[in-house]
Amino acid sequence: EVQLVESGGGLVQPGRSLRLSCTASGFTFGDYAMSWVRQAPGKGLEWVGFIRSKAYGGTTEYAASVKGRFTISRDDSKSIAYLQMNSLKTEDTAVYYCTSSAATRSFDIWGQGTMVTVSS
Amino acid sequence: DIVMTQTPLSSPVTLGQPASISCRSSQSLVHSDGNTYLSWLQQRPGQPPRLLIYKISNRFSGVPDRFSGSGAGTDFTLKISRVEAEDVGVYYCTQATQSPYTFGQGTKLEIK
Repeated sequence: EVQLVESGGGLVQPGRSLRLSCTASGFTFGDYAMSWVRQAPGKGLEWVGFIRSKAYGGTTEYAASVKGRFTISRDDSKSIAYLQMNSLKTEDTAVYYCTSSAATRSFDIWGQGTMVTVSS
Repeated sequence: DIVMTQTPLSSPVTLGQPASISCRSSQSLVHSDGNTYLSWLQQRPGQPPRLLIYKISNRFSGVPDRFSGSGAGTDFTLKISRVEAEDVGVYYCTQATQSPYTFGQGTKLEIK
């Protein structure tokens, strides 16, 4: 079964850090770009960033709202994508989804999401 | 950034009747490689999003054929030929032609 499972969410104070993980199964993880998308409570979807597959350089791109604070990485040997979040702000509070993208550049597969709450 | 604008934001529909959602981008979504990376997602209540349509009109695996996508350039449409109860939720268009990738505001589909 093709699956993505996020983990690592929780309650964190403003200014602190958190690392989310996205574990993939059922497909050749290394062939896919991996994106993170977030959804604040009651709001729409916001793209956070992505990491290309190694075949396309493994490079990353980020939304302006997180650039310089968030870092996406991947470990193809473990089929895991990471989202390192530093200097967290209250406005980063959201459900964070990881999603895979093939060459079609569509968000093919989605995880169930992990909630991140930034509050003092 | 490319702004994606959906209309309507809310769509009450009778079961068995068609539904249509429009999505307009602030600039052309035609990529330099010739592809148009416009997708449609469905998010049922309490669920993560799910891919319905990619590259304007291609149905993703397992998506019923009552869903169809069309359009070109800056104007796109998602159509549901006959709405079923399980179609209730929020629909998003999204573009991956240019970074940052962006989403429409979402259209809430509900049953009358």
